[in-house]
Parts: sequence; structure tokens; C-alpha cells
Amino acid sequence: QKEVEQNSGPLSVPEGAIASLNCTYSDRGSQSFFWYRQYSGKSPELIMSIYSNGDKEDGRFTAQLNKASQYVSLLIRDSQPSDSATYLCAVNTGNQFYFGTGTSLTVIP
Amino acid sequence: DAGITQSPRHKVTETGTPVTLRCHQTENHRYMYWYRQDPGHGLRLIHYSYGVKDTDKGEVSDGYSVSRSKTEDFLLTLESATSSQTSVYFCATGTSGAYEQYFGPGTRLTVT
Repeated sequence: QKEVEQNSGPLSVPEGAIASLNCTYSDRGSQSFFWYRQYSGKSPELIMSIYSNGDKEDGRFTAQLNKASQYVSLLIRDSQPSDSATYLCAVNTGNQFYFGTGTSLTVIP
Repeated sequence: DAGITQSPRHKVTETGTPVTLRCHQTENHRYMYWYRQDPGHGLRLIHYSYGVKDTDKGEVSDGYSVSRSKTEDFLLTLESATSSQTSVYFCATGTSGAYEQYFGPGTRLTVT
């Protein structure tokens, strides 16, 4: 059983703050890692992918991967009300993807 | 957005009836996936395809079958729908089995 764990939240941050989202996974053979954003009633939207240890930055988003600790995180800087959504962590092993249940983020104006 | 459409977008059906959901993509992606999303369970893989006529099971494949006769189309069939199959179904596509996936808009299926 492949497991991907996320805190369900809800996580609330004030506008302009940094939001920190965390994810752990159980399979050491996992190869690639993704963060998706999902607005209520909509489909998941890819926001970040990361394949090697360290940090990857894209605009206000930074993904961090630590394979030794089996840990992936997503930082959102200068959080905006439009960032309010559920964030899904996904892990790839072989040809299959395993998703966490998501963390609900609310950015308070 | 990978040019993915799903049909129908909403469907209500009765227990015991067969149901087919369609996923169509215009991106020529090799890989296609079917997921279901339920509260408390997140997204779970049902079946996936790695090429025309090449498919494999995911973690929740019981009660479902798939077919892929063309690169652009991936069909999900519920042979005899049950209430436990009430869910939101998402199709996704990708260029390889290890890289990014892109999701379609989803189909909300209710089995009464």
C-alpha cells in the first residue's frame, strides 16, 4: 500500500504571509513529486513538479524535496485570497500516481 | 490545460445499469488515466493506459473496465453500476508515466 499523507487542515494564513504545506510518502522508490491546486468543484491543476532533492522555485511557489526523509513541501509566498483552495500532493512510483487527501488553505484578506 | 474533455459531465443512473464515461484528448499524450475522487479518500487510480490497446489496473479497479482503441480516446465502463461507485471521475493525460499529468474537467456520476 503506497501512502501519501498530508495534514487536512484547514490552514488559515493572512494575506501576504507565507503558507507552508507538507506531505510525506511511504515508498522510497518514488521518483517524482507534484503539487496540484484544486478549487471547489473544479479539477486539479498542476502548479509544481520536483524530481531531485532540494528546492525548486516558480514565482511565488517553492517546492522542497527531501528523499532521505521522504518529505515534500510547498511554500506559497505573499499569499493571496485567490490561493484559497485545496492543495494535493502526488507521488509517482512506476507508472502510477498516488495522491494525498489534500490540505485546505484559506487566505484571509 | 491539455485539451482534455470528458463526457458526460453529469450522469444519474440506476443500480445495475452499465455506464460508459469517455475521455478525449487532443494533445497526443501517450498515457491516459482514470481516477475517482471521494471525500476522505482523495484521488484514487482506477485504470491507466500506456498506449493504444495497452492498459493496466490501478488501486481501485474492481467493477471497472477500460478500453483504448485510439490515442485520443479512453473509455471507462462500469459493467453494473452500484451505489458505491457514486463519485466524481477524472481523466488525466501525460507524456510519460513519470512526469506531469493534466486533468480533464471531471464527470459527476450518481448511482441511485
